[in-house]
Amino acid sequence: SAVISQKPSRDICQRGTSLTIQCQVDSQVTMMFWYRQQPGQSLTLIATANQGSEATYESGFVIDKFPISRPNLTFSTLTVSNMSPEDSSIYLCSVGSRGASDTQYFGPGTRLTVL
Amino acid sequence: AQRVTQPEKLLSVFKGAPVELKCNYSYSGSPELFWYVQYSRQRLQLLLRHISRESIKGFTADLNKGETSFHLKKPFAQEEDSAMYYCALKGTSGSRLTFGEGTQLTVNP
Repeated sequence: SAVISQKPSRDICQRGTSLTIQCQVDSQVTMMFWYRQQPGQSLTLIATANQGSEATYESGFVIDKFPISRPNLTFSTLTVSNMSPEDSSIYLCSVGSRGASDTQYFGPGTRLTVL
Repeated sequence: AQRVTQPEKLLSVFKGAPVELKCNYSYSGSPELFWYVQYSRQRLQLLLRHISRESIKGFTADLNKGETSFHLKKPFAQEEDSAMYYCALKGTSGSRLTFGEGTQLTVNP
């Protein structure tokens, strides 16, 4: 399985600011995803990060709030813009590859607290 | 639409007892089902997937299409099994995963 790292591991931010989370994989992967896990809740898919094109967002998530970049097959960023306390969550990057082992693997997550 | 339901948020058993974590799904096509586990202070990791039909750490799960269920079972629970367990579904239209709410399993000594 791929080795996935995320930066930062945690942060405390002020309302109205933005935070960019980085996801780095040690091998080229086809698919990269960003999930949110709000306190006490399950994981919700924010978007699929597409290499070389705009991300595909799930219902309820928009590019202006969660801009995503994916410049290559090993790296992606998620920005949480104009933050409010409701954005306090764990943000997780996951990766997958097409083929016989089409399974998603998850990064360690970024714990974000917005004051 | 795809939906995964885990009816029990908390489940507590004694060491050596059988354990079953329930998962029901709603999907119109042929889904692929997974169980993920998150131990304390560790990242989410894949436990097993239905197409592999394997047993991992003594856990098994059988896809029952008639009952639209994918319950996770282990005949003799161990204390190290204490963790949060998530059932997840992947549909045929893409790679997106839909997760259930999770079940926190506690195995008491």
